[in-house]
Amino acid sequence: NAGVTQTPKFQVLKTGQSMTLQCAQDMNHEYMSWYRQDPGMGLRLIHYSVGAGITDQGEVPNGYNVSRSTTEDFPLRLLSAAPSQTSVYFCASRMTVATDTQYFGPGTRLTVL
Amino acid sequence: GNSVTQMEGPVTLSEEAFLTINCTYTATGYPSLFWYVQYPGEGLQLLLKATKADDKESNKGFEATYRKETTSFHLEKGSVQVSDPAVYFCALKDSSASKIIFGSGTRLSIRP
Repeated sequence: NAGVTQTPKFQVLKTGQSMTLQCAQDMNHEYMSWYRQDPGMGLRLIHYSVGAGITDQGEVPNGYNVSRSTTEDFPLRLLSAAPSQTSVYFCASRMTVATDTQYFGPGTRLTVL
Repeated sequence: GNSVTQMEGPVTLSEEAFLTINCTYTATGYPSLFWYVQYPGEGLQLLLKATKADDKESNKGFEATYRKETTSFHLEKGSVQVSDPAVYFCALKDSSASKIIFGSGTRLSIRP
């Protein structure tokens, strides 16, 4: 199993550009989520999904959209990038919403100029 | 609401020194508690998990005990190695909630 994969690994955007961060898992996990990691602030939840077709907001959802059309994929879209969205983004998954153990992707480092 | 507080870093130690990273939590009920480790340039990996009070968990020489009376889950290692530099995150999951709450992370460095 590849586990949780993310692409790209690095990305530089200009303010106002849009892009999609890709996330996929091959473990048939129902629950997937996106976090951003900023210095001194740990990981903050952006959006999550408890299953295909179901998404919900985390604590910092503004400026981001998600969709979950398949169990495997959970892309994160930045509609109009802002410098405040410069961060490292992690996708994570676990078997179900009730499961404890969570698996993380390797991260995407995004810089918005 | 639920929260996790862990000691600020960075923590810089000599090889073979004793490591403690403090973690305390606030939660209703009986949450599951975790330590995750993030090596440079990588995603987070689960290091330890405890699901009930007085559980003592160990992995790769690291230990932590779930102490409900002090709402703590401190991470310890008796002898740090050159392979241990990383950021360590304490986290909790309440059984009634879907979200895992992370602390701010503590960076560990080893003196050359």
